[in-house]
Amino acid sequence: NAGVTQTPKFRVLKTGQSMTLLCAQDMNHEYMYWYRQDPGMGLRLIHYSVGEGTTAKGEVPDGYNVSRLKKQNFLLGLESAAPSQTSVYFCASSYPRYQETQYFGPGTRLLVL
Amino acid sequence: KQEVTQIPAALSVPEGENLVLNCSFTDSAIYNLQWFRQDPGKGLTSLLLIQSSQREQTSGRLNASLDKSSGRSTLYIAASQPGDSATYLCAGGMDSNYQLIWGAGTKLIIKP
Repeated sequence: NAGVTQTPKFRVLKTGQSMTLLCAQDMNHEYMYWYRQDPGMGLRLIHYSVGEGTTAKGEVPDGYNVSRLKKQNFLLGLESAAPSQTSVYFCASSYPRYQETQYFGPGTRLLVL
Repeated sequence: KQEVTQIPAALSVPEGENLVLNCSFTDSAIYNLQWFRQDPGKGLTSLLLIQSSQREQTSGRLNASLDKSSGRSTLYIAASQPGDSATYLCAGGMDSNYQLIWGAGTKLIIKP
């Protein structure tokens, strides 16, 4: 049981490049989330999904897109990376009640030059 | 708009001491309050979850309390150990949406 895994662990991009972050969970969770964490700030929700084929915007969705084609996977895309998107990105999943605890992946550190 | 604040941002105490971490929130309409631990370069691990109908939760040396009327939650760590060194984050679950509202965390250092 691997829990929540994220790929890649670290990436450097140049401004304007695109990339996709992959999140996978093997706990059969309905809900999945993408957060970003910046120094001195709490986690901020980018997008989330309440089930396969569904996505919704969180607090800071601009510049990001997501897809949930399979229940176990949640992809985060950056179409044209900007230096302001330098951050640590965390994926999380939970049971189908948002009141339940969330299980986190190890994070992806992204540096945009 | 819900805001969650954790003060202090950093705390250093000698091993063996009991300590309290604070979390305050502005909107009492929270559904639950969760405490997480984050080790350097790692993801977050859930420690305790308190539902709005509860006053406290305990797990081993950890005890978390929730007072909705005053907008405060505390995480009590008994007999602290160097292995407790980490950043501790609290997050409030809002009944109106799916989002958790996060504090910025308290970085805790336990000195041997």
